[in-house]
Amino acid sequence: AQSVTQLGSHVSVSEGALVLLRCNYSSSVPPYLFWYVQYPNQGLQLLLKYTTGATLVKGINGFEAEFKKSETSFHLTKPSAHMSDAAEYFCAVSGSRGSTLGRLYFGRGTQLTVWP
Amino acid sequence: DTAVSQTPKYLVTQMGNDKSIKCEQNLGHDTMYWYKQDSKKFLKIMFSYNNKELIINETVPNRFSPKSPDKAHLNLHINSLELGDSAVYFCASSPGTSGAPTYNEQFFGPGTRLTVL
Repeated sequence: AQSVTQLGSHVSVSEGALVLLRCNYSSSVPPYLFWYVQYPNQGLQLLLKYTTGATLVKGINGFEAEFKKSETSFHLTKPSAHMSDAAEYFCAVSGSRGSTLGRLYFGRGTQLTVWP
Repeated sequence: DTAVSQTPKYLVTQMGNDKSIKCEQNLGHDTMYWYKQDSKKFLKIMFSYNNKELIINETVPNRFSPKSPDKAHLNLHINSLELGDSAVYFCASSPGTSGAPTYNEQFFGPGTRLTVL
């Protein structure tokens, strides 16, 4: 079975500060991992994904995440926050084979607030 | 040229009514999904169709019935609406469901906010 835990339902940072959003996963098979962003009253937009290969993945808007198998983590970071980064961020996991394919399991989201 | 579109964007209705939400994707994808996002923003998969065939059916009440007339469309019909059905419903699509990693990236529609009074 797959599941995701996002530590911290709310994170606040100052503009220009480091953004760190935490995600830990559980998966019975090698996982595919995703970060999505949701702006108010909008759908989800894919920020980045890890499937295979390099464990440090870069996404849009300057975000990156590192897959750490030993820690079952996939934390999202951005060196310098911008006001436009304020949104809800979701970490998601799916399995990489069999019946686990295509089933995205989401964490409960982290609301990022950026202060001027 | 919206990739995944849903209609309507907002839906307000009375308990006991029957309503439908439509979804269309123009990405040429084979697989489509319905997700429910509750008031606490928790997202949960409901259904998935691959090339018009139902492949995922989570523990969803029988009042919810998806229909896929072709692989570009996935509609959601809800009978006898209840207060607890109030949520945002998202449609998504992906290229497919094979083991190839690129097949699993899901693209989401803008959502339909359903309010049951």
